[in-house]
Amino acid sequence: DAGVTQSPTHLIKTRGQQVTLRCSPKSGHDTVSWYQQALGQGPQFIFQYYEEEERQRGNFPDRFSGHQFPNYSSELNVNALLLGDSALYLCASSARLAGHQSGELFFGEGSRLTVL
Amino acid sequence: DAKTTQPPSMDCAEGRAANLPCNHSTISGNEYVYWYRQIHSQGPQYIIHGLKNNETNEMASLIITEDRKSSTLILPHATLRDTAVYYCIVRVHSGGGADGLTFGKGTHLIIQP
Repeated sequence: DAGVTQSPTHLIKTRGQQVTLRCSPKSGHDTVSWYQQALGQGPQFIFQYYEEEERQRGNFPDRFSGHQFPNYSSELNVNALLLGDSALYLCASSARLAGHQSGELFFGEGSRLTVL
Repeated sequence: DAKTTQPPSMDCAEGRAANLPCNHSTISGNEYVYWYRQIHSQGPQYIIHGLKNNETNEMASLIITEDRKSSTLILPHATLRDTAVYYCIVRVHSGGGADGLTFGKGTHLIIQP
């Protein structure tokens, strides 16, 4: 059973560019969340997708956007990259159980973005 | 979600029990306590969660005080592979929209050989 897979694992961009990160959730999961983890910090919640809609959003600017596809996979897009966007971007999947979102998230290994 | 307080770092000898404390004095009645850990260069891993009763699984035990203002994660026989950052999180199980987890800085647990 494949867990959460993310691509690419590493990438380097320059300021002002745009980036797209991809995530495939664990089999049987229907919800995808994205987190940003700066060096030495805990992960920070960006947003969550369920039924192809953004359901909740953390304190991130509109430069961060996402999408969820019918097969539950997801993309995170970041426009107009800043040096401060350099971080590990983590995707987590979960399942909606008995009408609420499970707090048991399964994380991928992350995509490490470096902005020069 | 309520805020949690954890010590920044702890040491534990290999083979001994590791007891990681977490303070969540402002926790509300519908908030669960979750523990995750993150081994270096990997994504966080779910360990255990509970509401008010003590919980145990194959990885760890969770002891929640009667007033629910603090909890302790216990790794009964720590190994070198348990060296990681451990995050204590409190979270509502909402019936409506989804809500993201709020991670703090966690406790860096170092298992000494």
